[in-house]
Amino acid sequence: KQEVTQIPAALSVPEGENLVLNCSFTDSAIYNLQWFRQDPGKGLTSLLLIQSSQREQTSGRLNASLDKSSGRSTLYIAASQPGDSATYLCAGRYWNAGNMLTFGGGTRLMVKP
Amino acid sequence: SQTIHQWPATLVQPVGSPLSLECTVEGTSNPNLYWYRQAAGRGLQLLFYSVGIGQISSEVPQNLSASRPQDRQFILSSKKLLLSDSGFYLCAWSGAGRYGYTFGSGTRLTVV
Repeated sequence: KQEVTQIPAALSVPEGENLVLNCSFTDSAIYNLQWFRQDPGKGLTSLLLIQSSQREQTSGRLNASLDKSSGRSTLYIAASQPGDSATYLCAGRYWNAGNMLTFGGGTRLMVKP
Repeated sequence: SQTIHQWPATLVQPVGSPLSLECTVEGTSNPNLYWYRQAAGRGLQLLFYSVGIGQISSEVPQNLSASRPQDRQFILSSKKLLLSDSGFYLCAWSGAGRYGYTFGSGTRLTVV
């Protein structure tokens, strides 16, 4: 059974700091890995999608990496802002699990002004 | 471009009442469709998924059912709601394989 783990569960940083959110997965037979953002009471917004053949994807201040051999993905947020405060979820889509996503538990990020 | 619509945004229903939540997708054909539930302070739980009209798979036994009467329409239903059905319900769609998922804005259901 595939498992996706996110550590830490919560993180608080001062504004302007660069930060890294971690995601680990147990099965290397991964189609792709997707990072989402969820604001309180809202749906999930897709941030970045990394295919298994890719090493990283970038969008603005966000950079996501994927290392299949170590079973790890990281989401790097540069120059954090209070508006980045949200829960960040990673999810893996696997070759041997149909079309289903396996979600991590999320990291709740607070960026203090 | 593809869009996903989910309604209503908020719903308060008494115990024992029926439920119908609707999700529609625009701008694509033959999408894979999903219903997730997120209980307060907990992770996302996959409830149902569908790869085509009339094809529904259930991930967990429960008081809910799903239907896909049209290619881009996915409905979550219950005949009699329980208190434990309260939660945040999210609809999503994806293409097969290497495509990412796109989620709707969610429905906050409170059963009282």
